[in-house]
Amino acid sequence: AQRVTQPEKLLSVFKGAPVELKCNYSYSGSPELFWYVQYSRQRLQLLLRHISRESIKGFTADLNKGETSFHLKKPFAQEEDSAMYYCALSASGTYKYIFGTGTRLKVLA
Amino acid sequence: EPEVTQTPSHQVTQMGQEVILRCVPISNHLYFYWYRQILGQKVEFLVSFYNNEISEKSEIFDDQFSVERPDGSNFTLKIRSTKLEDSAMYFCASSAGLAGDSYEQYFGPGTRLTVT
Repeated sequence: AQRVTQPEKLLSVFKGAPVELKCNYSYSGSPELFWYVQYSRQRLQLLLRHISRESIKGFTADLNKGETSFHLKKPFAQEEDSAMYYCALSASGTYKYIFGTGTRLKVLA
Repeated sequence: EPEVTQTPSHQVTQMGQEVILRCVPISNHLYFYWYRQILGQKVEFLVSFYNNEISEKSEIFDDQFSVERPDGSNFTLKIRSTKLEDSAMYFCASSAGLAGDSYEQYFGPGTRLTVT
């Protein structure tokens, strides 16, 4: 069965500190992986996807197939990064996302 | 930038009543979805819709649920006889291609359904 695990419900860091939001997945094939972000009172929006290998708002994520992980990282957190972050998986050829439970990131001044 | 819209933003209904949640997907998208999020839990897939038919559905999407694209712009989710456990935030989404081919899904702001 496909599953996404985000072990931390809440992560608090100080402004300027590095951030790592963990995401582990369970899927026997080659997954498509995404990070979505939801800022306060806003809709879910795509932050990045593994296939594009880009950096958005300073965030990067590398797919590690050996560890079945897709952790989200940023070297220096900003207060505006405070939000809910969801890792999502999609199996090749399917329509749906499978979401993790999300991690609330709080960046403290 | 085009956005997915949903109406209403909040719907309160009594147990056993029918509700229809409405969505207007992004106009040139071909794939449409409903997800729900019960308070404190993860976002869960309900159903996807492509080419005027259901393409995939989850175990949650039982006979109480139905979807329709009644015209060229609206996409609706109907719950025939609501139960207390249907209380959740319902998200509509649309995309130009399959998530499994790494296409982004664009989400609406959600409709909060409260069943009393």
